[in-house]
Parts: sequence; structure tokens; C-alpha cells
Amino acid sequence: GAVVSQHPSWVICKSGTSVKIECRSLDFQATTMFWYRQFPKQSLMLMATSNEGSKATYEQGVEKDKFLINHASLTLSTLTVTSAHPEDSSFYICSARDLYQTYNEQFFGPGTRLTVL
Amino acid sequence: AQSVAQPEDQVNVAEGNPLTVKCTYSVSGNPYLFWYVQYPNRGLQFLLKYITGDNLVKGSYGFEAEFNKSQTSFHLKKPSALVSDSALYFCAVRDMYTGGFKTIFGAGTRLFVKA
Repeated sequence: GAVVSQHPSWVICKSGTSVKIECRSLDFQATTMFWYRQFPKQSLMLMATSNEGSKATYEQGVEKDKFLINHASLTLSTLTVTSAHPEDSSFYICSARDLYQTYNEQFFGPGTRLTVL
Repeated sequence: AQSVAQPEDQVNVAEGNPLTVKCTYSVSGNPYLFWYVQYPNRGLQFLLKYITGDNLVKGSYGFEAEFNKSQTSFHLKKPSALVSDSALYFCAVRDMYTGGFKTIFGAGTRLFVKA
């Protein structure tokens, strides 16, 4: 089955530093990847939709300069949290849509837990 | 706009009893509906989906869901619950005609299965 990986699985950083999270589709090509944020005991909130080779589309209220998204290939998208602050601490989950499966479900990565001190 | 409602924050059921986790949706076009399960500190695992066809959809781990267009519901069910089913369950909807490939998730329902 389709597998999506995320790296790192967890990261702790100091306030003011930047953190990069990678999302990879391991056995399929993903024209579209999605980045979600999940607070404890809450649902997933879509942050942005990332299309290979073009600029990401951000949801309302999400700062694009704060959360930089790059989707340089059909198997890799990255989310960079710039100048991270404690309020950015969260569980970040990516998902990918198979290029050749129009009606398919999204495949989710295992998530990255970010803790900003 | 599309939306999903999971009216129950938590569902408690005894092992061996049937379980139901409720979901209602709102879309302007035809809905694509999904159920996912999440275990602690893990990503989401796909359980089942409804695209078209039979209203009763069977999925992973013995789960099934029934699409009811008139009630705009897509409740998740399992005939006999297991303790290992205890997890967080998310219903999701995608409006393929107006929402593109954007999937909207419900707030989640935590299922507790007691031995």
C-alpha cells in the first residue's frame, strides 16, 4: 500500500530557531501534499495544500512566511517553521494524494511532534 | 462550504458489544466520505470510504459505515467491539465538485472499549 513518511518524528528546538519537517511518498507519486496541524485532543486543521512545482495554497489565518512549504518533487514536500515560538508547538501531519488515483483517500504520514522551548 | 460534525466527544462501550460513532456532513455537491483512526502520537490510518455505489461500506478491522443521503450521515459501526479498538476516530468529507481535493475533518470522537 501507499506509504508516507515524515522526518523527524519528533523535534525539540529553542525559541527563535527554524525547523524543517520532511514529508515523503515512498512508493507513489504525489502531485498534491497537504500539511495539517493538530493540537492535543483536537482535530486536524489544514494549514496548506502543496502542489509539485508551484506555490502552496495556505488556509485562512496561516502565515505563509511563518510556515514555508516547498514541494520540489513528486515525492517530497517540506514544511519549515521559521523563527519558532512555544505557541508553534504542535503535532504536524502531512498527507499525500496519489497522482494516478483520482478518487483515492489521502495517505497520511506518522506525524512530527514539535516542541519549542 | 463543506463541513463535518461528530456530535459525540467520547463513546464508551463494553467489549463484545456493538459500537456506533456518529458523523453528519454538509456539502454542496456529491460527498466523498472517509473514516480514519488515530492512535496516540501516530498519524491517521484509513478505515473506509464512500464514493458511490452501495450505501453500506465495509472497511478495515471489521468496521463498516452506512451512507444515508437523506439524513446526510455516515455513521461508523462495528458489530462487536474490541479493547484494541480504543482510539480517536475522525470522519472526513471531500466535495469533489466544489472543494477540489481538500478534505475536511470532524472534531474526532474518542472511543473507549472496556474489557
